[in-house]
Amino acid sequence: GAVVSQHPSRVICKSGTSVKIECRSLDFQATTMFWYRQFPKQSLMLMATSNEGSKATYEQGVEKDKFLINHASLTLSTLTVTSAHPEDSSFYICSARYASSYNEQFFGPGTRLTVL
Amino acid sequence: SQQGEEDPQALSIQEGENATMNCSYKTSINNLQWYRQNSGRGLVHLILIRSNEREKHSGRLRVTLDTSKKSSSLLITASRAADTASYFCATGFPGSARQLTFGSGTQLTVLP
Repeated sequence: GAVVSQHPSRVICKSGTSVKIECRSLDFQATTMFWYRQFPKQSLMLMATSNEGSKATYEQGVEKDKFLINHASLTLSTLTVTSAHPEDSSFYICSARYASSYNEQFFGPGTRLTVL
Repeated sequence: SQQGEEDPQALSIQEGENATMNCSYKTSINNLQWYRQNSGRGLVHLILIRSNEREKHSGRLRVTLDTSKKSSSLLITASRAADTASYFCATGFPGSARQLTFGSGTQLTVLP
């Protein structure tokens, strides 16, 4: 149980285009979803926290107009990287938790974004 | 920054040996968790220890927590080649909207 999927697993795009990444909780209702960014051989950096039906809370230094987050349902959150640039290339990972899961988060498999 | 530090950054051992990783953090916590990440993949939750607990076991894993020293350790006993991965500690803080702050990670390599 508590499976989270992400789509796509890999995406290559041209500079200036927008890319949407989906995060789905497959067998539970996710009250909160989190988006992280991870550079090679580094730790996860929290980008934003989103609760279903409300606006995402972004971490300091994360541009909300560049990284659009929508959490329209209890099983789906999307991250859209707008006007992508090569420096946006990274590994993006989402996680989700349900109301009674204490602090444990369930992670998706990640999306490798490469911007040419 | 609240981000924890882990040591060692990299650890290489022979199959069958024990592996110990340490995590230190800076502020008061509600809980501390350990996650595992295989290369290029998502994270898998291993174990959670609450701030009022001192030790916890799960299979070949043993986690300790010393809140006075703001540190935790993860011990993997009788390691296997399949344990090769990066291991991260993550801390949950009071009033943090259930967010986690991840440590810098330890890359464990278990040689067959």
